[in-house]
Amino acid sequence: GAVVSQHPSRVICKSGTSVKIECRSLDFQATTMFWYRQFPKQSLMLMATSNEGSKATYEQGVEKDKFLINHASLTLSTLTVTSAHPEDSSFYICSAGQGSQPQHFGDGTRLSIL
Amino acid sequence: GNSVTQMEGPVTLSEEAFLTINCTYTATGYPSLFWYVQYPGEGLQLLLKATKADDKGSNKGFEATYRKETTSFHLEKGSVQVSDSAVYFCALSGGSGGNEKLTFGTGTRLTIIP
Repeated sequence: GAVVSQHPSRVICKSGTSVKIECRSLDFQATTMFWYRQFPKQSLMLMATSNEGSKATYEQGVEKDKFLINHASLTLSTLTVTSAHPEDSSFYICSAGQGSQPQHFGDGTRLSIL
Repeated sequence: GNSVTQMEGPVTLSEEAFLTINCTYTATGYPSLFWYVQYPGEGLQLLLKATKADDKGSNKGFEATYRKETTSFHLEKGSVQVSDSAVYFCALSGGSGGNEKLTFGTGTRLTIIP
């Protein structure tokens, strides 16, 4: 069964809306969570690395104020797309890691901004 | 920095055909190598991995061998099925643990026709 739950799976909203995406590790404590963005028929682009209890580390070119990441507990990280615009439409995927085990990925959130 | 070069798709094969998807990498040190599979509308699932030179990862009939001398990690399967249709991503990380960020190739879309 799924070990990482991502919610919601799909969001359609108007331009200017802020959208929160949740990523939960279901049966393990994830010391690190990652947020990726995937454009149609393209690879995953790492947006940021989130460590529990500390500020996220953003990749070059990713706007920190646009994509707010919170990792308040060992089982939950959230990505908030603030004041979303059509160019933010994409497939967002989280993953969670623990110790020596490989990362587990959520099923992704398809965000469509009208 | 690290990079992964993956065979471009799409790849279309008949059922029971032999599959090879090429993957080469550039990295410092001794990375761990992974193949992930993504089914339509879903997140990524780990297919197999190898953490050191000459290791062979295998799962569901798929195999890949970590070749340090050629910096390659080609994915193979002797007889593909329709259910293998998906997008396959080659990836590497600096270590084998879940706290290491992954660098992905561009993905190869595989379609198997009956």
